[in-house]
Amino acid sequence: GDSVTQMEGPVTLSEEAFLTINCTYTATGYPSLFWYVQYPGEGLQLLLKATKADDKGSNKGFEATYRKETTSFHLEKGSVQVSDSAVYFCALSDQAGNTGKLIFGQGTTLQVKP
Amino acid sequence: ETGVTQSPTHLIKTRGQQVTLRCSSQSGHNTVSWYQQALGQGPQFIFQYYREEENGRGNFPPRFSGLQFPNYSSELNVNALELDDSALYLCASRPDWGTYEQYFGPGTRLTVT
Repeated sequence: GDSVTQMEGPVTLSEEAFLTINCTYTATGYPSLFWYVQYPGEGLQLLLKATKADDKGSNKGFEATYRKETTSFHLEKGSVQVSDSAVYFCALSDQAGNTGKLIFGQGTTLQVKP
Repeated sequence: ETGVTQSPTHLIKTRGQQVTLRCSSQSGHNTVSWYQQALGQGPQFIFQYYREEENGRGNFPPRFSGLQFPNYSSELNVNALELDDSALYLCASRPDWGTYEQYFGPGTRLTVT
C-alpha cells in the first residue's frame, strides 16, 4: 500500500540555519503531497501542498518540490526561526476509492535554538 | 469562515467504557475524516464520511464507529475502550472539490486508564 517515510528527528538547529527535512513516498497513481505542521498541544495545520510532478509548494518561507523521479517531497527553509519549532508531517492523499484519505509519515521534530 | 472545532479537549475514561467525541466541520464541507494520533506517531486514518454515509475506513475494528449529521457536525464513538486507545483524536473536513487538502481541528486527547 501507499506509504510515507520521513527522516528521523529530532532536528536541532540554530536560528537562521538552513533546514531540510527529507520525505519520500510510495504510491500507486498520482497522489497530491502535503506538509503539515503541529505546534505543541495543537492540531495539524496545512503548511504547503503540491498536486503534480514538478509542482513547488511554498508558504511562510518553506518550500517543497514534488519529484516523481525520486518519489520525494523534501521540505526546505532558508533561515529558520525559534517560532518554527514544531513537529512536521509529510503526507500524501490516497487516490484509491476516491476517498482522499491522508497517509502520514511518522513526523519530524524540529527544535530551533536562539 | 469558521474552522473545525472539537469537543471535549481532554477526556479520561476507564478501560471497557464507551466514549463519544464530537466535531463541527467547516460550513460547506461535506466530507469529514477522523484520525487517531498515538504519542510520537503520525495520524492514522480511522474512517471518512460523505453526506452522512461512511465511504472509507482504515484498519480499525468495528468498535470504532461514527455518525455525520446534516448540520456539518459528526461523532466518533468508541466502545469497549482499551488502554491502547489512548491517543489524540483528530477530526478533519474538506470541500467536495479540490486537491484533497484537509482542515484539522485541535483534537481531543483521550486517556484510557
